[in-house]
Amino acid sequence: GNSVTQMEGPVTLSEEAFLTINCTYTATGYPSLFWYVQYPGEGLQLLLKATKADDKGSNKGFEATYRKETTSFHLEKGSVQVSDSAVYFCALSDQTGANNLFFGTGTRLTVIP
Amino acid sequence: DGGITQSPKYLFRKEGQNVTLSCEQNLNHDAMYWYRQDPGQGLRLIYYSQIVNDFQKGDIAEGYSVSREKKESFPLTVTSAQKNPTAFYLCASKQAGVWGTQYFGPGTRLLVL
Repeated sequence: GNSVTQMEGPVTLSEEAFLTINCTYTATGYPSLFWYVQYPGEGLQLLLKATKADDKGSNKGFEATYRKETTSFHLEKGSVQVSDSAVYFCALSDQTGANNLFFGTGTRLTVIP
Repeated sequence: DGGITQSPKYLFRKEGQNVTLSCEQNLNHDAMYWYRQDPGQGLRLIYYSQIVNDFQKGDIAEGYSVSREKKESFPLTVTSAQKNPTAFYLCASKQAGVWGTQYFGPGTRLLVL
């Protein structure tokens, strides 16, 4: 079946620190992979995505590389800001059936000045 | 502006009452989804619809009902059979095809009085 395992939080970092949030997946077929971000009280916003092995998704200084050999899609950012404080969700969408999204449990990031 | 709107932002339900959450999109997307989010958990799929007048149950459909009479609208009814309805409800939509990305509305928080 399809599932996503995400690094448990919460994660607290100082401003300008390096961020890594780990994400591994199990899937049938060749899934697309996503990172969504949720700010307090809001819906989810797409942060970045990758649709095939070795693709790198990037946006707003965040990046993640689709690693088929390790079934991973780790999120990284070189220098976090206070405004990056949010909950981050890793998700996959398989290319069969209804093409639904399967989410990890989310990782809460707090960046302190 | 194109997007997904959900209303109301907050909704209160009395015991034994049915309530309906609205979701509208003007993105001309074919597929629409309803998710439930509980604190500290990922999103769980309630119902989805890939085309007008058709919908399928997700992982936690019991106690919920939907309709899809128009392409742009996908209302969710939380019935009295749902014994633990307090949660944050998110609606999403996606263009047809396996490469489509789901985009989310701002959410509705349902509270039980």
